[in-house]
Amino acid sequence: DGGITQSPKYLFRKEGQNVTLSCEQNLNHDAMYWYRQDPGQGLRLIYYSQIVNDFQKGDIAEGYSVSREKKESFPLTVTSAQKNPTAFYLCARTPLPGPGDYGYTFGSGTRLTVV
Amino acid sequence: AQSVAQPEDQVNVAEGNPLTVKCTYSVSGNPYLFWYVQYPNRGLQFLLKYITGDNLVKGSYGFEAEFNKSQTSFHLKKPSALVSDSALYFCAVRALNSGNTPLVFGKGTRLSVIA
Repeated sequence: DGGITQSPKYLFRKEGQNVTLSCEQNLNHDAMYWYRQDPGQGLRLIYYSQIVNDFQKGDIAEGYSVSREKKESFPLTVTSAQKNPTAFYLCARTPLPGPGDYGYTFGSGTRLTVV
Repeated sequence: AQSVAQPEDQVNVAEGNPLTVKCTYSVSGNPYLFWYVQYPNRGLQFLLKYITGDNLVKGSYGFEAEFNKSQTSFHLKKPSALVSDSALYFCAVRALNSGNTPLVFGKGTRLSVIA
C-alpha cells in the first residue's frame, strides 16, 4: 500500500448524513493531502496538513472538515453541507521536499456514493 | 498562481506506435514537474519527475518526458505503446523551493492503446 491506507474502499451515504473517510500513513511523513476526483475534472484539493494540529483549506473545502491530531492520521469528514458528495476521494502523503522525494504517494482511494 | 493544462482529454494510439501525452504548465520560478498514472478505481502511481538537469527524463515502464522551458511544456512519451499502457495520465506541477505547497494537477488524459 506504499505506506498509506485509505478505508473504506466503498462508502454509501444517505442524504443528510455525515461520513468520515480514513487515511493513515506509517512512514512518519509530515504532509498529507485530500483530493476529490470527478470525471473530466482531474484532482481538486480539499484540505492539506503539513504539521500536527494544523491544516489549510484547498480549492473546494466547503462542506468538508478534517483533523490532524496525530501525525499518522488525517481523516476527512464529508458533511451534510456538501451538496454533491458523490466522487472518488484520494489521500496522499509526502515527506519534506527534496531531490530524493517522489512527490506524493497516494492511497488507493474511497468511492463515496450518495443513496 | 500555478496551473497545468492537458489539452487532450483522450489519446488513441495503435500498439507498437509511439505515443505522446501533452502537458503545459505555468508557475512562478523554476518548476517541479511530475507525471502520474491511474488505473481504474486505484490511486495515482508515480511515473517520473523533473527537478533540474537533463531535459529528457526517464521513468517507469519505459516512459520518458521532455522538459522544454521555452515552451513551458513537459510532454510524456513512449517509443512503442503497449495495450497495458491504457490508463489515465496526470501531469502535476509546483514551484521549486516552495516548501510543501500542494501539487497542482491537470485534468488528466485518457490513453487508449489499441491492439
